[in-house]
Parts: sequence; structure tokens; C-alpha cells
Amino acid sequence: QLQLQESGPGLVKPSETLSLTCTVSGGSISSSSYYWGWIRQPPGKGLEWIGYIYYSGTTYYNPSLKSRVTISVDTSTNQFSLKLNSVTAADTAVYFCARGDYGNGWYYMDVWGNGTTVTVSS
Amino acid sequence: DIQMTQSPSSLSASVGDRVTITCRASQSTANYLNWFQQKPGKAPKLLIYAASSLQSGVPSRFSGSGSGTDFTLTISSLQPEDFATYYCQQSYTIPYTFGQGTKLEIK
Repeated sequence: QLQLQESGPGLVKPSETLSLTCTVSGGSISSSSYYWGWIRQPPGKGLEWIGYIYYSGTTYYNPSLKSRVTISVDTSTNQFSLKLNSVTAADTAVYFCARGDYGNGWYYMDVWGNGTTVTVSS
Repeated sequence: DIQMTQSPSSLSASVGDRVTITCRASQSTANYLNWFQQKPGKAPKLLIYAASSLQSGVPSRFSGSGSGTDFTLTISSLQPEDFATYYCQQSYTIPYTFGQGTKLEIK
């Protein structure tokens, strides 16, 4: 079955760029009717939607992060990535990647990675 | 942004109880409303999409209702594995915002 796995550094220095990759296995990232997204959760807090990308490369971002975030897709490796620049301690969180389904006209994230913890600290 | 407000923020209940969690949106989200369950240290799990559609594999004791701005998640008979935090999320307009969560604890 479809699985997603986040990977990347667990520690990032303030003002630097956070870079994460989500590897999709058990299915193709190029499938129609799906989108690929990132969500984060600061320690002890709720969920924040970061953005998503279609396999075509079309992206949608949370306006609160839009100036700092880039999501990209590599269909040849079945991966998509998140870059968040100029990070601060407020960006410390568990970062989840997820598949979104819109094939029936509704938008919902039905398959999630386990999440990866990123700490911003010098 | 559409603000999503859940009530209550926390809830104590017993196995076998019927429980209802409410989610209110600051403006209409039509039926673009999803419910997730999250256990400590785990990723959220989709329970309900489109306000009332049960995700495949989710037990039928979970149900969702509502439209527009007011939605509810009901668990008809609580089981031990249902004690977790529940989040609503609107997917009507970007950014797709979440409620603050409802923590369901054992009484």
C-alpha cells in the first residue's frame, strides 16, 4: 500500500534553510486525482497546513509562510520536497508529508508519513 | 483565513459513552470539512471527509454531520482505542485551516 516517509536534518540553525524530502512508495507520485502536501505541528500544539503541490508542479501555499516556503516535486524519484528559509525557533515542529485526494471533488489528506522532528537552534 | 473553533477543548468520558465534538467555521465551508484522530507521537488519521463520508477502514461508530459553518463528530460508543485528540479541518479555501483540537480523555 502507499507509504510516505519524511527525511532531512533534525537540527537547523536560525536564519538557515530547512530542507525536507518525502519519499513516496507503493504508488506513483504522478497519479492524477492526488496532490502532495506538508503539514507541521509545533511541540504540544495543533496542526498547521503549509502547502501542497500537484505532480504537474502547480503549488499552493499558506499565505503566512508563502514568502519563505517552496514545495517541489521530482517525478523521476517519486519524491517531493519542502524548503523553508530564514527559519527561527518558531519553525521548530514535527513536519508531516501527506497525500491529498481530490478525485471525487472533495479535498482531504488520506495517507500521512510518520513525521520528522525539526529543531531550530544554534 | 477561515477560523475553525472546536468545542470542547477537552473532554472526559467513559468506555461505552456517546460523545459529540463540535466544530464551527468563521464562514461557510460548504461540506468541505474533514475530521482527523491523532494519538501521541503519531500522524493524524483521516476519519471523515466531506463532513459525513466515512473513510475506508474507519469503524462505523464514527459519524460526521453538518454543513455550512457548523459540524459535529459523533462517536456512538467509545472504545479504549478512541482516546486521542481530534481535529477538524476545512478544505474549502486556502489556507486549509485546522481547529485547535479536542482532547478526549478517559474518565
